[in-house]
Amino acid sequence: AQTVTQSQPEMSVQEAETVTLSCTYDTSESDYYLFWYKQPPSRQMILVIRQEAYKQQNATENRFSVNFQKAAKSFSLKISDSQLGDAAMYFCALLDQGGSEKLVFGKGTKLTVNP
Amino acid sequence: NAGVTQTPKFRILKIGQSMTLQCTQDMNHNYMYWYRQDPGMGLKLIYYSVGAGITDKGEVPNGYNVSRSTTEDFPLRLELAAPSQTSVYFCASKPGQAFYGYTFGSGTRLTVV
Repeated sequence: AQTVTQSQPEMSVQEAETVTLSCTYDTSESDYYLFWYKQPPSRQMILVIRQEAYKQQNATENRFSVNFQKAAKSFSLKISDSQLGDAAMYFCALLDQGGSEKLVFGKGTKLTVNP
Repeated sequence: NAGVTQTPKFRILKIGQSMTLQCTQDMNHNYMYWYRQDPGMGLKLIYYSVGAGITDKGEVPNGYNVSRSTTEDFPLRLELAAPSQTSVYFCASKPGQAFYGYTFGSGTRLTVV
């Protein structure tokens, strides 16, 4: 079974600083996709960034970037120049491509941004 | 340009009552999903569908039923509501290509008392 582990239930960062959220996963597949979703207090799930496992280059989206270590099964999210609007729950997720295309989620990390 | 629409946004049920959570998408996505989110537990898959007429159980299907008669609609039925079903429910859809991930609805907060 595929699993996703986020070992940091809560993190905090000062505005304008950089923070890294950790995620490890387990899968027997060689080709898969990984995602980070943001859930602000509004409850809406927002896609932050995605990574294809067969691509060695780390994905970036503006202030958000990932450190994808396939051999270690690690997929961390780095947020640079943190803003107050980045405060949210962040979920790491692994896409199961075995026909169902199911997303398996970690338990989430609550990020607080201090002014 | 509505995306995934869930109704209602909030609901309080009494133990033993039944209800249907509605989910509709206008993106012609084949894949649709229902998740529940409990505090500190992430999102867990209840049911999913890979196309009209095809549904299958996820990780936590007990107490729920689904149907998929059209591509657009994927309602979730709660029979004999129990306090353990108090949760936030999310509907999501995706196109066939895995890279694009899911589009989520705005969620339904359900309380069973």
